Amino acid sequence: AAGVIQSPRHLIKEKRETATLKCYPIPRHDTVYWYQQGPGQDPQFLISFYEKMQSDKGSIPDRFSAQQFSDYHSELNMSSLELGDSALYFCASSSLEVAEAFFGQGTRLTVV
Amino acid sequence: AQKVTQAQTEISVVEKEDVTLDCVYETRDTTYYLFWYKQPPSGELVFLIRRNSFDEQNEISGRYSWNFQKSTSSFNFTITASQVVDSAVYFCALSGPTDSWGKLQFGAGTQVVVTP
Repeated sequence: AAGVIQSPRHLIKEKRETATLKCYPIPRHDTVYWYQQGPGQDPQFLISFYEKMQSDKGSIPDRFSAQQFSDYHSELNMSSLELGDSALYFCASSSLEVAEAFFGQGTRLTVV
Repeated sequence: AQKVTQAQTEISVVEKEDVTLDCVYETRDTTYYLFWYKQPPSGELVFLIRRNSFDEQNEISGRYSWNFQKSTSSFNFTITASQVVDSAVYFCALSGPTDSWGKLQFGAGTQVVVTP
């Protein structure tokens, strides 16, 4: 069965650079969520989109932005990267018919 | 505000022992959903179980079982006859009634180490 696809799996950036993370939800899933998991921490909700509109917002820094496109894939854009942005970034998708959010394998971002 | 507390930081057991993970939650919602996720060393988050606040029936699924008690706001999870492959971080999570399935408040996680 198709799963949530995140790319890239690993990313190394320097401070003050920008990064773009991509998420491709499971087919027919209309909701996408982004999470940030720092080392040794639990995942923190950043933002979500439903039918291409932002549906909820969590602890997402102003330097980050995201959107969901017409094909339902989503991108998380991070600018002016800081060392503290080094984390595992998860994307998850769901639909109203499925009482579960499916997580991708994550993108590990390292800022040096 | 929602809060999930997993007081156990790490649990170490020998293979075939049972492991019980504690989870205590706080919420003002009358309708809510509780989850357990597993995060193996490879890093992905694996969905294990979901329970809604109106269903306190405790069940067993293979080697997994859970004990949901609204009176004590607890949602404990047990792995029976643990195996080395069960070594992972286990997260308890909570979502509210108006939240979609994927907006979760996670606990801090419990590291389970199963040795042969």
